[in-house]
Amino acid sequence: QQQVKQSPQSLIVQKGGISIINCAYENTAFDYFPWYQQFPGKGPALLIAIRPDVSEKKEGRFTISFNKSAKQFSLHIMDSQPGDSATYFCAARSGGGADGLTFGKGTHLIIQP
Amino acid sequence: DVKVTQSSRYLVKRTGEKVFLECVQDMDHENMFWYRQDPGLGLRLIYFSYDVKMKEKGDIPEGYSVSREKKERFSLILESASTNQTSMYLCASSSRALDTQYFGPGTRLTVL
Repeated sequence: QQQVKQSPQSLIVQKGGISIINCAYENTAFDYFPWYQQFPGKGPALLIAIRPDVSEKKEGRFTISFNKSAKQFSLHIMDSQPGDSATYFCAARSGGGADGLTFGKGTHLIIQP
Repeated sequence: DVKVTQSSRYLVKRTGEKVFLECVQDMDHENMFWYRQDPGLGLRLIYFSYDVKMKEKGDIPEGYSVSREKKERFSLILESASTNQTSMYLCASSSRALDTQYFGPGTRLTVL
C-alpha cells in the first residue's frame, strides 16, 4: 500500500515558469514532510521541509504548500531554471528522527531553456 | 559538511553470493538508514538503526540483514543475493536532534 502518492511522474517546464509537484498521503500520524532533490549519479539532498503546524514554507524560489485537511502537500519552484532539472521526491515521516522516511515515487523535472 | 560514504559505486555479484555494502558517516550521527531505489518506485526503507547494535526493520527487510558495531558504520548484508536485489542502494544518516537525513552517493548493485 503506497502511503505517499506523488504526481506527475515527469514534468517539462519552460525556463522562467513555475514547476508544481503534488503529493498526497494517507497516514495521519505523519508529522514531517521533506522534499528531496536528486541529480544523476548523486544521492538525494534535502531541499525544503515542513511540519503540519504551518500551511506554507518558502526558501528562495522553493515553496511548500501544505493542506492538512486534504492530506496533500506540494512543491512550487518559481522562475524555474535549467539547473533545477532533476528528480524530486516528496517524503513523510511519523515519530521521531530515528524513523525512516516514506518516499513518493519521484518526479523527473526538465526545464527547457 | 556532512559526509556519508559508501564503499563501492558499482558492484557486480553472482546469484547466491553473500554481499556486504558498507556505509560510513563522519558527523557522529546516531541514526543510520538503508534504502533501495528502483525506477518508478522511489526509495524504499530496508533497515534503520538509532544506536550501536540496534536495528529496526523498514518496509522491505526480506532478504537483507544489517550490522552496526560502531557508531559511524552501518553495513547492509545480502545473505544470498538474488537477481531481484539488483538495485541502487542508498545509505543515509541523521542526528538525534535534527530531522535532516543526509544521503551517500549510492551503490549500484547488479546480481547476475
